[in-house]
Amino acid sequence: KQEVTQIPAALSVPEGENLVLNCSFTDSAIYNLQWFRQDPGKGLTSLLLIQSSQREQTSGRLNASLDKSSGRSTLYIAASQPGDSATYLCAVDSGYALNFGKGTSLLVTP
Amino acid sequence: GAGVSQSPRYKVAKRGQDVALRCDPISGHVSLFWYQQALGQGPEFLTYFQNEAQLDKSGLPSDRFFAERPEGSVSTLKIQRTQQEDSAVYLCASSFGSGRPPGELFFGEGSRLTVL
Repeated sequence: KQEVTQIPAALSVPEGENLVLNCSFTDSAIYNLQWFRQDPGKGLTSLLLIQSSQREQTSGRLNASLDKSSGRSTLYIAASQPGDSATYLCAVDSGYALNFGKGTSLLVTP
Repeated sequence: GAGVSQSPRYKVAKRGQDVALRCDPISGHVSLFWYQQALGQGPEFLTYFQNEAQLDKSGLPSDRFFAERPEGSVSTLKIQRTQQEDSAVYLCASSFGSGRPPGELFFGEGSRLTVL
């Protein structure tokens, strides 16, 4: 079974810092990898989707990279803002059911 | 609709009661998924529909869990004889695609079930 691990589990940074969230997965036979954001008591919002043939995707201040052979992905957030505070989930698609990590809880302090 | 809609948003049930959770996917979306998210955990796959066909129910934790999508749009997740370990947020997601993988998923806000 695909296992997805996210490090760190929690992160607190001052506003303005650039930061990196890490995701690793055990089975490199994936179709795509998605990063989601989850606010407390809310559902999941898709941030970036990287196809298995791609190396990275960018959206605004977010950049996600994928190294399928080593089973790793990173989410880079530039110039963090308090509004970025949320839980960030990495999910790997090995068929049609997503396998999620436990998430990284991010707090950006003013 | 504009997004995936789930109801009720919050449900408190006494142990042993039956509950039904509803999901209205985005209009025209073929694929529909149910996930269970325990506190502090990532979502776990429960079941998958392609139109009205339930193609995978391997994630359902027991035979007390049942899901249907009779007309290929609205779906209902039913939990019979609820137990405390069923307490979780139940997330519904839909996608326009029907292949493997079905493409980008859009999630609802979830139904939070608390079993006392």
